[in-house]
Amino acid sequence: DTGVSQDPRHKITKRGQNVTFRCDPISEHNRLYWYRQTLGQGPEFLTYFQNEAQLEKSRLLSDRFSAERPKGSFSTLEIQRTEQGDSAMYLCASSSETGGLDRQPQHFGDGTRLSIL
Amino acid sequence: KQEVTQIPAALSVPEGENLVLNCSFTDSAIYNLQWFRQDPGKGLTSLLLIQSSQREQTSGRLNASLDKSSGRSTLYIAASQPGDSATYLCAVKGGSEKLVFGKGMKLTVNP
Repeated sequence: DTGVSQDPRHKITKRGQNVTFRCDPISEHNRLYWYRQTLGQGPEFLTYFQNEAQLEKSRLLSDRFSAERPKGSFSTLEIQRTEQGDSAMYLCASSSETGGLDRQPQHFGDGTRLSIL
Repeated sequence: KQEVTQIPAALSVPEGENLVLNCSFTDSAIYNLQWFRQDPGKGLTSLLLIQSSQREQTSGRLNASLDKSSGRSTLYIAASQPGDSATYLCAVKGGSEKLVFGKGMKLTVNP
């Protein structure tokens, strides 16, 4: 169990640029989640995948955001035409279905911190 | 809409004290509740998960209880240590897959 891995750890970019983050879940986990956390707040849900299917999206996920999980393995989160308000920590989590849906914790990576200049 | 509240937002205690962290939620229709720890600049570490059918869970010096009907959970930390200093978050899972988080409680344990 190597844990959830996110890359890069930090990203600094100018307003208007596109950015892409990657998440590698724990290998046997078929569920993958993206959250966003701003300073002093708890994480807010963005989207959820079961295998390669994106099953739930938050209203926070505007048209500038897109997430994919090809082949049900790693996932990418892309933000187009970044804005100042996109500055945040983007967290990825994964979980399994073993034993029932209410028994499995979500395990989080260390996140990607995005700073918009 | 589910709302999760953690009060107080920060707590500073001397080493060795037994602590109670509080979490309340507005909608009792939950599947589970998770407690997490977050160190500065890091992701979340899962501490305990309590299913909706359970009353409490224990791991080492940590004990979490759940009173679903009243919308409350507590995290008890025994014999606090400086290494326990971190932000503690609770989150509930309702009818969808997402977790709804509180804002967290920043704990400082002074040597």
